[in-house]
Amino acid sequence: DTEVTQTPKHLVMGMTNKKSLKCEQHMGHRAMYWYKQKAKKPPELMFVYSYEKLSINESVPSRFSPECPNSSLLNLHLHALQPEDSALYLCASSQVFSGINEQFFGPGTRLTVL
Amino acid sequence: AQSVTQLDSHVSVSEGTPVLLRCNYSSSYSPSLFWYVQHPNKGLQLLLKYTSAATLVKGINGFEAEFKKSETSFHLTKPSAHMSDAAEYFCVVIVVSGGYNKLIFGAGTRLAVHP
Repeated sequence: DTEVTQTPKHLVMGMTNKKSLKCEQHMGHRAMYWYKQKAKKPPELMFVYSYEKLSINESVPSRFSPECPNSSLLNLHLHALQPEDSALYLCASSQVFSGINEQFFGPGTRLTVL
Repeated sequence: AQSVTQLDSHVSVSEGTPVLLRCNYSSSYSPSLFWYVQHPNKGLQLLLKYTSAATLVKGINGFEAEFKKSETSFHLTKPSAHMSDAAEYFCVVIVVSGGYNKLIFGAGTRLAVHP
């Protein structure tokens, strides 16, 4: 299984809502990533988890809260988002975070904040 | 600082003609470079990668890229375009920082394939 799955595919939320994005992989990878991708732009790294510990936070606002409950699961909790947070949120995983490792990407969750 | 520059934001070709997507890199040491493809409303898929082995790298779906140190380039080519190749393509350099590696993306090239 070389797949990264993400749910939901689409999400519409208001600025006062709380929602969560979910990412799952069963490749035994120990590094997992959240990226944000605006239209017609490359992905921007948000967070990196290595061995279920947060290793990198790219100065992301606290209204985004990541969580890694176990080595296969990665969540992104959303609260009090702004319309400019509307984007495609991509999850990725790699064997480890060190060395030159391919990152496998999920299909993304398209988020719209009203 | 390491970076990649994709020289064309849009490329348009006819089906059956060659594809050339250009990427130049900037690196103070021998880089590791990837090409990823993103079809509309999809995640990214690795096409091929260069990690200082053979300079001509073959990838999936008939794509290949040649690492040219003298030109600091890593252009992506395919002999004959197919309609299904229409997508966004990202050239990526791997940056090692603090023992960890991060992907640095180029701005992307949108490939259109016409019948």
